[in-house]
Amino acid sequence: DTAVSQTPKYLVTQMGNDKSIKCEQNLGHDTMYWYKQDSKKFLKIMFSYNNKELIINETVPNRFSPKSPDKAHLNLHINSLELGDSAVYFCASSQEGGHRNQPQHFGDGTRLSIL
Amino acid sequence: GQNIDQPTEMTATEGAIVQINCTYQTSGFNGLFWYQQHAGEAPTFLSYNVLDGLEEKGRFSSFLSRSKGYSYLLLKELQMKDSASYLCAVLDSNYQLIWGAGTKLIIKP
Repeated sequence: DTAVSQTPKYLVTQMGNDKSIKCEQNLGHDTMYWYKQDSKKFLKIMFSYNNKELIINETVPNRFSPKSPDKAHLNLHINSLELGDSAVYFCASSQEGGHRNQPQHFGDGTRLSIL
Repeated sequence: GQNIDQPTEMTATEGAIVQINCTYQTSGFNGLFWYQQHAGEAPTFLSYNVLDGLEEKGRFSSFLSRSKGYSYLLLKELQMKDSASYLCAVLDSNYQLIWGAGTKLIIKP
């Protein structure tokens, strides 16, 4: 009964490939997020998305695109992978609506390594 | 710009008390979160402060002073399992969460 689950847990691939990471939450939350955590352990928001609004961090390259088939899923697609994309990617979700100060619940992370 | 500062690393002894500080400069303020992240795992929610003062939750307490742009996380009766990174994050005026780089806490026997 995992709350936020993301797959795969590990992803090793070559430069230039296209890959997707999947995320699902069963908490009934309105908003989902993608974060990148680099080797220095700094969490950087990439996207936040609910059924009304997609907010993109302007520093994120357009090779990264979120895709949401429904409220419970937010997948991350990455085109033309580069060495600098190696990091841990976390999916998270929170309940918003009128309660925008709710904590975020995180998935276990996807460790992406680019060869 | 928006900025969250916390020490990079701290060391403490099992059974002792440690205080992890966080100072912030953000465009507006709608609350401050503390998260715990064990190595190789996901961040997990510890506390949320939006009003000044101390919030106590078991061995962990969190303090906020909005006028000083300052918070601390107090951990009592330290246990080895408390070795982790502790992340401070502030909700700005647009309800965007601004994250600090985290404080790695090392507990020694």
